[in-house]
Parts: sequence; structure tokens; C-alpha cells
Amino acid sequence: RKEVEQDPGPFNVPEGATVAFNCTYSNSASQSFFWYRQDCRKEPKLLMSVYSSGNEDGRFTAQLNRASQYISLLIRDSKLSDSATYLCVSLRGSNYQLIWGAGTKLIIKP
Amino acid sequence: NAGVTQTPKFQVLKTGQSMTLQCAQDMNHEYMSWYRQDPGMGLRLIHYSVGAGITDQGEVPNGYNVSRSTTEDFPLRLLSAAPSQTSVYFCASRPQGRTGNTIYFGEGSWLTVV
Repeated sequence: RKEVEQDPGPFNVPEGATVAFNCTYSNSASQSFFWYRQDCRKEPKLLMSVYSSGNEDGRFTAQLNRASQYISLLIRDSKLSDSATYLCVSLRGSNYQLIWGAGTKLIIKP
Repeated sequence: NAGVTQTPKFQVLKTGQSMTLQCAQDMNHEYMSWYRQDPGMGLRLIHYSVGAGITDQGEVPNGYNVSRSTTEDFPLRLLSAAPSQTSVYFCASRPQGRTGNTIYFGEGSWLTVV
């Protein structure tokens, strides 16, 4: 079992819809969490950090549930430009290793 | 304002050949790392370094060597290329510590081993 697991998708959703991604992690020692976005044939780029109290950045909302070891990302009013792969990432250990999920592919349809 | 510079962008190797992927950063970051990304697998850590002269293995180190003689440079060497090493490679750097939100990636190197 991978330490950080995501639904691989792809999620095909119409423009304007709300889409939710889920991510689970198995190592309770994980300290911090992040969502990254990766466009086709490009490097990953930080979308947002995930805070225990939940946090919002425009149309994006991230939630963390440490008891259930579960992280979510909600995208409201999806745009065509949101089409990408979304990577869930945890940080743990004395060397602050980043552990990457395999990513969930999102395709927004006009 | 270069950030992380990674070369080459594309490379085709024959089985058994060796090559070096170059990575350089100009941000004085202590932490540098190499990842490979395969379809459906996410980013997997090959090797990493927490400072000049210090390197360590990641999740998938076999078949790769690294060195960190300076803070700026962190080359990845494939000793004897195998088809299983066909992948996309990303170099990354960040300040040491709890800084998962300040990682900088190179643009990636697409390697095909035939």
C-alpha cells in the first residue's frame, strides 16, 4: 500500500461544476500536507498548503482530518484551465521528506 | 533569476550506456533531490542531499549515483542504463527544514533507454 493514496481518476467534469479530490495517508507521523498541480509534461507547482483548520484560496478549499488521516481538495466553479493532475503530498521525518501521491487527473469539459 | 536548471531536456540512450543529468540551483538551498516520475506512480525519490558533501538514498536509488561537491550542483549519474530507467526525471531544491511549500523544480528530463 502506498503511503499517500489518491484516486487516479481521470475525473471528467463539466465547466462550472464542483469537484472534490480525496487523499489518505498511512503514516501518522506526517507533519504537513500540500496540494500540487502538474500540467502535462511540466513540473509540479504548489497549489496550496493544507492547514488543520482548513483553508481557502479563491475557488480552492483544502481540508485536513488528522484523526482519519484524510486530506481533501475542493474546486468550485471549475474552469477549463483547472484541467491538470493534482498531487497530494505529505512531509515527514527528521529530513523533512516529501511523500507524493500518484496524482488525480482532472479534465474539465466545456 | 534562473532557479533550478536541469539538463538535458530529452535524451535517448542505449542499454548499457552511462550518462549524467545535470542540476544546478542559484538560490543557496541546502536541500536538493532527484525524483523519477512514471505513469501512475507519482514522484519517487531517487537520492537527496542536505548540503555539500552529504548525500543519501531515497526510495529507488539502485542504478543511480549522485554527488554534491558544491551547494549549487547535484548531478545524477546513470551507471549502466536499463530500459526500466526510462522515465521523466525531476531535480528539485528547497531550504532545509519544514518547507514543503517552497520546493523548486527543474523543468524535467525525459529519458528513453532502448
